[in-house]
Amino acid sequence: TQLLEQSPQFLSIQEGENLTVYCNSSSVFSSLQWYRQEPGEGPVLLVTVVTGGEVKKLKRLTFQFGDARKDSSLHITAAQPGDTGLYLCAGSYSGGGADGLTFGKGTHLIIQP
Amino acid sequence: NAGVTQTPKFQVLKTGQSMTLQCAQDMNHNSMYWYRQDPGMGLRLIYYSASEGTTDKGEVPNGYNVSRLNKREFSLRLESAAPSQTSVYFCASTYSVGPREAFFGQGTRLTVV
Repeated sequence: TQLLEQSPQFLSIQEGENLTVYCNSSSVFSSLQWYRQEPGEGPVLLVTVVTGGEVKKLKRLTFQFGDARKDSSLHITAAQPGDTGLYLCAGSYSGGGADGLTFGKGTHLIIQP
Repeated sequence: NAGVTQTPKFQVLKTGQSMTLQCAQDMNHNSMYWYRQDPGMGLRLIYYSASEGTTDKGEVPNGYNVSRLNKREFSLRLESAAPSQTSVYFCASTYSVGPREAFFGQGTRLTVV
């Protein structure tokens, strides 16, 4: 099983601050996804990155895939209370079975008004 | 579109009782998955089905069985529930090729007393 390490595990900041969440592995992934999960709901896909060095933006969220396709980061600018949730990264490799879809344990993010 | 539908949303069982969690997807995905989510443990794969007619064990299969009834439906059965199976269960589906973007159901919160 390939491991994805997320950091930090917990983060509580004030509204308006910036933050970065990291997702690291020793394995190379063909693609990596970020999900957001709210209490009582299933994870919801935010973005997929495929190419090493790729950067994608979703409003105030910026996602980057590492050049070597082993790591990724999620940066939130001017965080808002609505950003509160559990953020999960997941990596997959082409041709793999379900073992090819690996989830990190998540970052619990709380944005305080 | 309904996406991935799971039932029931909540369930309380007594130790030794059995139950089946139902999951259906309408996205024409080939692959379907059952995960459990526990505090501090992240999403752990119980079983998966890469395609209709096939099922394979994931990381934590003991105490569970699955049935891929057809392309749309993938059920999870607990034959004799134990308190250690108290958890939140998620069904997910993906295409079997490409980035494996997962779509999740809303989850089943199961308590075994």
